[in-house]
Amino acid sequence: QQQVKQSPQSLIVQKGGISIINCAYENTAFDYFPWYQQFPGKGPALLIAIRPDVSEKKEGRFTISFNKSAKQFSLHIMDSQPGDSATYFCAASMRWGKAAGNKLTFGGGTRVLVKP
Amino acid sequence: NAGVTQTPKFQVLKTGQSMTLQCAQDMNHEYMSWYRQDPGMGLRLIHYSVGAGITDQGEVPNGYNVSRSTTEDFPLRLLSAAPSQTSVYFCASSWGREPMNTEAFFGQGTRLTVV
Repeated sequence: QQQVKQSPQSLIVQKGGISIINCAYENTAFDYFPWYQQFPGKGPALLIAIRPDVSEKKEGRFTISFNKSAKQFSLHIMDSQPGDSATYFCAASMRWGKAAGNKLTFGGGTRVLVKP
Repeated sequence: NAGVTQTPKFQVLKTGQSMTLQCAQDMNHEYMSWYRQDPGMGLRLIHYSVGAGITDQGEVPNGYNVSRSTTEDFPLRLLSAAPSQTSVYFCASSWGREPMNTEAFFGQGTRLTVV
């Protein structure tokens, strides 16, 4: 069973629009939530990450919103650009203890296409 | 500074063959891990290592072996390849200090096809 569920599977947005990707997790021991961006033929690269002690984190056009009680978090891409066309993965892990070590549990991925 | 280097980039195997996927990092990271990426399933953890000489199983370890004799290298061995192991394999590394909220760096991947 997938511990991190991601939606939608794919998304088409016009240039300048907002892309929104949602993730839900089950394991309440998760306390680190990164988002990775992957271009075709490349490995994933860290985009932005959040810890559950904050409800929102913004870096440029990318914002993570976090709802601890609902066990949900989302990525918003503002003013989407054609160069943002990629696959985005949410992930979760534990920061402390024997089960830690950046053992990432990934969502299924969202393919984003930004049309010019 | 090459980061995480994986070889080969592409490989075709026949069912039952064995092979080793190589992974090397030059960032002196303690943590290294192997993931496989399948459509719609994201990346799933196969094996991981928290330092030289220490390895453990991830979510999907069956059919794979690992060893970590040095900090730099973390090879993944397929013992007897099966079509179900057709996938893209990624190696990743990160610092090994708690709290573990540091960036995981990924290699470029190895696309493996088992026929």
